[in-house]
Amino acid sequence: DSGVTQTPKHLITATGQRVTLRCSPRSGDLSVYWYQQSLDQGLQFLIHYYNGEERAKGNILERFSAQQFPDLHSELNLSSLELGDSALYFCASSVGAGGFEETQYFGPGTRLLVL
Amino acid sequence: AQSVTQLGSHVSVSEGALVLLRCNYSSSVPPYLFWYVQYPNQGLQLLLKYTTGATLVKGINGFEAEFKKSETSFHLTKPSAHMSDAAEYFCAVTLSGGYQKVTFGTGTKLQVIP
Repeated sequence: DSGVTQTPKHLITATGQRVTLRCSPRSGDLSVYWYQQSLDQGLQFLIHYYNGEERAKGNILERFSAQQFPDLHSELNLSSLELGDSALYFCASSVGAGGFEETQYFGPGTRLLVL
Repeated sequence: AQSVTQLGSHVSVSEGALVLLRCNYSSSVPPYLFWYVQYPNQGLQLLLKYTTGATLVKGINGFEAEFKKSETSFHLTKPSAHMSDAAEYFCAVTLSGGYQKVTFGTGTKLQVIP
């Protein structure tokens, strides 16, 4: 158990819908990272937040948005869902701003299926 | 731009045999390189990373990798495979100074045969 929690574990929805994925970092960790793992695109870095502020963006679609709240949990919002958005979404956390001296801990993921 | 190529989407080894998972990178500047492991139905776990300094990097669970600039490679090895090593392994690269904007390879599934 990494200490990073993600809810829900599984999510089934329809095309065109909007969903929110939630991530709670390890206690004391200030950084949250989001990743997408799909059959088509493989593993992709989406976005990184540090202490409530966006620090880096990867291949995140405009239909997707994220935020990190004052209690440091983060939410990834996916809207106008398409079949291709079906994937495993991971979050990870680390104690600081994401330097290599830190250890990054991954959650178990949320599996999203868009029908 | 950076990229990594993992040779072999599936690798099978016998228990006790050498594990060698291949990774080549492409980068216009010195990269930072990682190996991650993903066990079935679990999240990723960082095995090891190369940032600067010694080119032979030791990680968890007996794995190590060597950064070879002349060959643009970062192959992952373990002298003796264990059944518990069966998992998917991802090589990754970034040009940033931390975990941001990491680019992952397509992964190699390791099967360990008893």
